[in-house]
Amino acid sequence: GAVVSQHPSRVICKSGTSVKIECRSLDFQATTMFWYRQFPKKSLMLMATSNEGSKATYEQGVEKDKFLINHASLTLSTLTVTSAHPEDSSFYICSARDASGTYNEQFFGPGTRLTVL
Amino acid sequence: GQQLNQSPQSMFIQEGEDVSMNCTSSSIFNTWLWYKQDPGEGPVLLIALYKAGELTSNGRLTAQFGITRKDSFLNISASIPSDVGIYFCAGPVNFGNEKLTFGTGTRLTIIP
Repeated sequence: GAVVSQHPSRVICKSGTSVKIECRSLDFQATTMFWYRQFPKKSLMLMATSNEGSKATYEQGVEKDKFLINHASLTLSTLTVTSAHPEDSSFYICSARDASGTYNEQFFGPGTRLTVL
Repeated sequence: GQQLNQSPQSMFIQEGEDVSMNCTSSSIFNTWLWYKQDPGEGPVLLIALYKAGELTSNGRLTAQFGITRKDSFLNISASIPSDVGIYFCAGPVNFGNEKLTFGTGTRLTIIP
């Protein structure tokens, strides 16, 4: 149980285009999902908290117009990187909290490697 | 915000050796989580700790919630090649907060 998937696993795009990344909880309902960014050999940095049916909460320094988050259902959250630039290249990871589970346990997706040319 | 510092930053060990790593914070945590991340993958939860002094095992892994609530330890016994990866500790940003802050990570490499 507690499986989280992400799609795509890898994407290469041209500068100026937008990229959408999906995060799904496959066998549980997730009222809350989180989006992280990870640079090579670095730790995970929380970008935003996504709550089903409401607006996402962004961490300080994260541009909400740049990183659009939609959490339309209890099993799906999407992150859209708008007008991507090379500096947006990174490893993006989502996690989901099982609404019926222990409060602080988060289950992570396999990540999406974004490369902007 | 709270920072979690992990040590050592990296470890190079031989297969079969025991491993010990720790995570410290400048402030109190009420939950400690230990994750392992393989290259190009998302972190996988190994052990969750919820009470000061708690000692919890998961196979060859054992983790402890420090009495001061400002640290936690993870031990791996009789390491095997698949133990290679980065180990992160994590804890809630604030008491009752769902958001997690992650440690700096310990990279484990096994020398053949």
